[in-house]
Amino acid sequence: GAGVSQSPSNKVTEKGKDVELRCDPISGHTALYWYRQSLGQGLEFLIYFQGNSAPDKSGLPSDRFSAERTGGSVSTLTIQRTQQEDSAVYLCASSLEGQGFYGYTFGSGTRLTVV
Amino acid sequence: QKEVEQNSGPLSVPEGAIASLNCTYSDRVSQSFFWYRQYSGKSPELIMSIYSNGDKEDGRFTAQLNKASQYVSLLIRDSQPSDSATYLCAVKSGGYNKLIFGAGTRLAVHP
Repeated sequence: GAGVSQSPSNKVTEKGKDVELRCDPISGHTALYWYRQSLGQGLEFLIYFQGNSAPDKSGLPSDRFSAERTGGSVSTLTIQRTQQEDSAVYLCASSLEGQGFYGYTFGSGTRLTVV
Repeated sequence: QKEVEQNSGPLSVPEGAIASLNCTYSDRVSQSFFWYRQYSGKSPELIMSIYSNGDKEDGRFTAQLNKASQYVSLLIRDSQPSDSATYLCAVKSGGYNKLIFGAGTRLAVHP
C-alpha cells in the first residue's frame, strides 16, 4: 500500500477485556515495529519484526502483551486483560530493512482508551 | 541516564528566525540519527536523517552531527508558524536494530 495502515483508529474498551490492533506495513518493507505513546510522552518501543527472524520482544511491558506477524506482512498486537495504564496511542512503523539506516514510516496510530 | 535526551521546551521563536533543536545520546557506537516532526494528534513524520559528522542540509532544515560529543542538532531557518510541532530525535544504537526516541522538544513559532 501507499502507507502504513492501522486499524482501528480509535478503540474504547472496558478494563479486563482483550483487544487486537492491526498494522499493514508498506509493501516491500521487511521490518515492522510497534511503539506506544502515552499522553505527552515520548515513544516507547514494544516489539520489532525483521523478515523471518525471531522478533525482538524486549520492549513488551508484560506478558499480557503479544504480537505476531503473518506471512511477513500484516501484524497484530494483542493486549489481554486490558488495564487503564494501557491507554495510549499505539503506533506501528515499517522500514525498508532492519539495520536502522533507513528511517521508519509510521501509521496514523490506534488510540486505545481503557475505561 | 536516558539514552536519548532532548530539552522538552517549549522553544518559542518568532517567525523568520532560526530555531535550534538539540539532542544528546549515550551510546558511543550509534550509527544513524533521525529527526521526526509530530504535529499534535498526529503520528511522527521523518524529516531528516544523518549518518556522518558534519552538516546535512535539506531546504530550510539542517541537521548537524558531532559523534565525538554525542550530539545531534536540527536547525530550522526562516521558521514558520506551520513549523510549530514537537520534534523527536531518534538514534539507532550500535547493538540494536531499532530506533530509540527522545521525549521530544516542543517548538512554537509565533507570528
